[in-house]
Amino acid sequence: GENVEQHPSTLSVQEGDSAVIKCTYSDSASNYFPWYKQELGKGPQLIIDIRSNVGEKKDQRIAVTLNKTAKHFSLHITETQPEDSAVYFCAASKGSNYQLIWGAGTKLIIKP
Amino acid sequence: EAGVAQSPRYKIIEKRQSVAFWCNPISGHATLYWYQQILGQGPKLLIQFQNNGVVDDSQLPKDRFSAERLKGVDSTLKIQPAKLEDSAVYLCASSSHTGSGNTIYFGEGSWLTVV
Repeated sequence: GENVEQHPSTLSVQEGDSAVIKCTYSDSASNYFPWYKQELGKGPQLIIDIRSNVGEKKDQRIAVTLNKTAKHFSLHITETQPEDSAVYFCAASKGSNYQLIWGAGTKLIIKP
Repeated sequence: EAGVAQSPRYKIIEKRQSVAFWCNPISGHATLYWYQQILGQGPKLLIQFQNNGVVDDSQLPKDRFSAERLKGVDSTLKIQPAKLEDSAVYLCASSSHTGSGNTIYFGEGSWLTVV
């Protein structure tokens, strides 16, 4: 079955710098790749997603890139701010039943 | 638009006791999910409903966990008897329909501690 690996498990960056989180997936049939942000005590919230027919997608300070050949996708956050501190999860999905396979999460720490 | 509502937010029970969690999805959302999230891990799907029918319950420990969505709206997840390893956050989520690429909206979760 599908397996999603996420790195790093913890990422600490200076406020204003960029942060990059990477995920790899095993099933080449996966075609949908969302990223979720989870703040302490809250449920995950979708921040950006990408489908397999697109290589890159941007939304203000957040971007996601997808390399289907290498089976990896990455989240890029530019000009990081304190409110970006959270746990970020990547996920992958295929097929019509929409079962998300989740990565283990990355704890992003923004240092003032 | 109201989000996914869950209750209770926090519960502490002794092992072998029972507990029930309630979820009210976003109005009009046909698909409802229950996830288990153990501290430091990603969410794990326990069960997925499409209206009041079960789409996937392959990872639900059916000897102790049960879930229902009788009228295709609210849902209840029950654990009986609870084990120490059931300590986790139970997340309810909903989406407007089943299909790859459909946004899933999560509630804030019900935190369970089994002692």
